[in-house]
Amino acid sequence: QSVLTQPPSASGTPGQTVTISCSGSRSIIGTNFVSWYQRVPGTAPKLLVYSTNKRPSGVSDRFSGSKSGTSASLAIRGLRSDDEADYYCAAWDDSLTGRVVFGGGTKLTVL
Amino acid sequence: QLQLQESGPGLVKASETLSLTCNVSGGSINRNIYYWAWIRQPPGKSLEWLASIYYSGISYSNPSLKGRVTISLDSSKNQISLKVNSVTATDTALYYCARQWDVAVVGPEAPFDHWGQGTLVTVSS
Repeated sequence: QSVLTQPPSASGTPGQTVTISCSGSRSIIGTNFVSWYQRVPGTAPKLLVYSTNKRPSGVSDRFSGSKSGTSASLAIRGLRSDDEADYYCAAWDDSLTGRVVFGGGTKLTVL
Repeated sequence: QLQLQESGPGLVKASETLSLTCNVSGGSINRNIYYWAWIRQPPGKSLEWLASIYYSGISYSNPSLKGRVTISLDSSKNQISLKVNSVTATDTALYYCARQWDVAVVGPEAPFDHWGQGTLVTVSS
């Protein structure tokens, strides 16, 4: 059971906008930045969004992040077939001695 | 171009110590703006952060591993290492090393902006 809760699956057709949620607690998402990662099977995870809503250089602006209260979201606009992958959210957990926590992951299928 | 390459034994016997090395090329680990980390992904499960280390040697580890994890670095070799002791089948996973960086944050909470390809470790009984 992951500390951050994501839907196990999501789907959409090419061109659509898909949103993936990530729910946590006040000591995690409520007070810290969220990052999002894309993992295509057989490849290393790739950073898509950091500091909740910033994109690294080279990441398409079709990917955007946001946060409200203790939940964060990743939106993928103009869905493409090569967006089919697993997506993970992550954040710092202030409780105890501190740790990085990940969501359970969402498998995105492009129909 | 920064590259991270993990290496390790592939197969470890239960109760023994798992040792992994991450060779970093294309950049120095001895810089005060980065942390370096190990993350793993068991088969069919999500990602799990194991530990992070700063060039000075300051390190943080996941309390859920109950002290079984040790992270270290060797600046002369530009390598980061991981040891997990008393391994069991639940330590079977794909192990990644990664760099952590954010212009606004220097700490274990920074995002993982570069990853290695990962190395698979299987714990056998």
